[in-house]
Amino acid sequence: NAGVTQTPKFQVLKTGQSMTLQCAQDMNHNSMYWYRQDPGMGLRLIYYSASEGTTDKGEVPDGYNVSRLKKQNFLLGLESAAPSQTSVYFCASSFAQGDQPQHFGDGTRLSIL
Amino acid sequence: SQKIEQNSEALNIQEGKTATLTCNYTNYSPAYLQWYRQDPGRGPVFLLLIRENEKEKRKERLKVTFDTTLKQSLFHITASQPADSATYLCALDGNAGNMLTFGGGTRLMVKP
Repeated sequence: NAGVTQTPKFQVLKTGQSMTLQCAQDMNHNSMYWYRQDPGMGLRLIYYSASEGTTDKGEVPDGYNVSRLKKQNFLLGLESAAPSQTSVYFCASSFAQGDQPQHFGDGTRLSIL
Repeated sequence: SQKIEQNSEALNIQEGKTATLTCNYTNYSPAYLQWYRQDPGRGPVFLLLIRENEKEKRKERLKVTFDTTLKQSLFHITASQPADSATYLCALDGNAGNMLTFGGGTRLMVKP
């Protein structure tokens, strides 16, 4: 059981570069989420997708874009990386929004120099 | 402003004792609250959900209480073991769109 798989696990970028973080889930979940986790600040929601083809902004969407073209995949893009985007990024999925437990991947550790 | 507060200082306890972690919130009216466990270098793992009309929920050595008057949830681990050492996160449904909002987590260290 793979659950939620994130790639890459680690990445170092230079300021201004762009990249895409990939997330795949094999649980047939409808909802998917991208969070960032910074020391002392907890997990903050960047974007979420209630279902295939739909996306909505979370708490901290600026500087990011997402796409959910297939039910099992949710991609997070950094348009022009900034040092403030250095963080650990987690993808999660759940059967539906609301009170359903979320299943998390093991994160992508991203450093922007 | 809305806040979810968990003790940012690590909680150190002796093996076999009961660990109690606190989650306080202000300016939320959550319909439910969830607890997650996070190990270093790993993603959070769901443990328990408790709804606003439930006072207490149990799962094996875990117990969660939810007091909507005090705006507080307590998370207990009885007969704690070194393997219980981890960071524990509470999360509740925010005021918009049924999205989860997470607290900063409390690190628990259980010493043999």
